[in-house]
Order: sequence, then structure tokens, then C-alpha cells
Amino acid sequence: EDQVTQSPEALRLQEGESSSLNCSYTVSGLRGLFWYRQDPGKGPEFLFTLYSAGEEKEKERLKATLTKKESFLHITAPKPEDSATYLCAVHVAQGGSEKLVFGKGTKLTVNP
Amino acid sequence: DGGITQSPKYLFRKEGQNVTLSCEQNLNHDAMYWYRQDPGQGLRLIYYSQIVNDFQKGDIAEGYSVSREKKESFPLTVTSAQKNPTAFYLCASRRDQRSNQPQHFGDGTRLSIL
Repeated sequence: EDQVTQSPEALRLQEGESSSLNCSYTVSGLRGLFWYRQDPGKGPEFLFTLYSAGEEKEKERLKATLTKKESFLHITAPKPEDSATYLCAVHVAQGGSEKLVFGKGTKLTVNP
Repeated sequence: DGGITQSPKYLFRKEGQNVTLSCEQNLNHDAMYWYRQDPGQGLRLIYYSQIVNDFQKGDIAEGYSVSREKKESFPLTVTSAQKNPTAFYLCASRRDQRSNQPQHFGDGTRLSIL
């Protein structure tokens, strides 16, 4: 069964304190991995797509990396406005159809 | 601005009542999706549509129905058969089902039981 696990479930950081969020997956037929940011009461906002092991993408204070079994979202010198839930999703091919399998998310709180 | 519009933002359902959630997109995307989000759980796929007049069940389709009569619209009906409908419902679209482009989401409808 395709599975995506995100850790930790919740993370509290002080402003400027860098850290990483993890997304590990066991899927067959991986076609890509997506990172989203979700604010309370809003829909997920697309951040990055990663297609193959070794690939890296950056946007402001965020950097996403991908290996064969997991992805990391590195947050460098975070600010309070980076507080949100970060979702990981893998795009899998399954029995002639394709779908996204989502993790449960990591809730990040950055204190000033 | 191109995007996905979901309405209403909040919806209340009475016992035995069917309710319909609206999803409209002006991105010219072929594929559209409905997800349910519950606290502490990942998004779960209810239904998806790859093209007009065609749709398929997702992982948790029981108690829900959809239609796709227009490319830009994909309404979801939560029927009285859905015994636990309280959740945050998200609509998404993608250029097409086969592409590896990301799905883009609306801002959701929160459904509660009266």
C-alpha cells in the first residue's frame, strides 16, 4: 500500500532557528513529489515539485530535496510568517490511473 | 486572475438533507478533484474527473455524488447517506490527469451538521 509519513507532526522554532521537515514514502510507480503550504482555513498552496533523487528546489527561505525514500524541506532562518502546516504529496501511477497520496502534514510555528 | 473558486465558505446540513458544494475554475484545466480533510488526517480523494462528462470514484466516494457538465465546473453533492459529513472539503484542478503538473487548490468549504 502506498504510504506517506511526515515528521514531526508539530514543530516549534524561534525566529532565525533553522530546521528540517521530513517526508518519507513507500510507493510504487513514483512520478513526482510535491510540497504544499496550508494556512488555517485555506486551501494548500503549491511550493515545489521534485521528480528524481538528487533534485533540489529553492524558494526564499525554503529548500526541498529528494532521495529515493524521502524528501526534506529545509527552512533557513525562519520568520513568524513561515508558520503554517506543510503538506507532502507523492504522485503515483496505480492500476492505469494516477493519484496523489498525501501525508498528514507538519504544523510549523515560528515564534518571534 | 486565474484560480479556483469554492462556495460557500461555510455550510450547514440538517439531518436527511442533501447539500451541494460548488467548485469553479478558470484555469482551463481538464482534470478536477474533490478531497476531504479531517483533523490529523491527510487529504483523502472523493471523486475526480479527467474530462467533461466523465468522472471516477476516489478512495472515499460513498455518500457523495458529482457531475461534470462543463469544463470549468465540478460540483459535489453530499447526500444524506454520508453519515459523517463534517469536514473541510477541498476542490483542486490540474492541466490534465496524465501530466505531472501540480494540483492547484481552492480555499475550501467547511461543512458542519446542524
